[in-house]
Amino acid sequence: KQEVTQIPAALSVPEGENLVLNCSFTDSAIYNLQWFRQDPGKGLTSLLLIQSSQREQTSGRLNASLDKSSGRSTLYIAASQPGDSATYLCAVKNRDDKIIFGKGTRLHILP
Amino acid sequence: NAGVMQNPRHLVRRRGQEARLRCSPMKGHSHVYWYRQLPEEGLKFMVYLQKENIIDESGMPKERFSAEFPKEGPSILRIQQVVRGDSAAYFCASSPPGNRGRETQYFGPGTRLLVL
Repeated sequence: KQEVTQIPAALSVPEGENLVLNCSFTDSAIYNLQWFRQDPGKGLTSLLLIQSSQREQTSGRLNASLDKSSGRSTLYIAASQPGDSATYLCAVKNRDDKIIFGKGTRLHILP
Repeated sequence: NAGVMQNPRHLVRRRGQEARLRCSPMKGHSHVYWYRQLPEEGLKFMVYLQKENIIDESGMPKERFSAEFPKEGPSILRIQQVVRGDSAAYFCASSPPGNRGRETQYFGPGTRLLVL
């Protein structure tokens, strides 16, 4: 059974610093891995999608990596800004088409 | 192209009442997924539907919950005789037909259900 774990559960970082969010999963037989952002009381915004054959994806200040064999992904945020404060969710898509989410990392950027 | 739409955005019900949550997928999308997010928990898969078919309902509670995606109109998640433990955010996602597993899912804003 696929399990997705995100560490840390919460993180506070001064503005301008670079940071890394971690995600691990137990079953490496996945189609893809996706990072989402969720603002309080809002829906999910897709940030980056990495197919199982890829190693990383980049969008602006965000870079996500995938190491399928070790069951790990990281989301790197460069030069953090207060607007980056949100909950970041990692989700893997299994071969049975189900998406399994982690519980998220609540990020707070201190101005 | 409008995104995935869900309504209502907020729904308050008393114990024992019925809750109906609607999801209109993105234009051209024929696959709909429902997820539930309990307080302080991650999103959990509930059900996967295509037009007029339930493909996978392995995440749905066995009682009181049902889902449909008719040929015309939105997908409906129905909760009968709601209890306080049903209070959660319910998210709908849609994806286009295509290579199984390759297409991404686009999420709606969610419906926040509060059971008094």
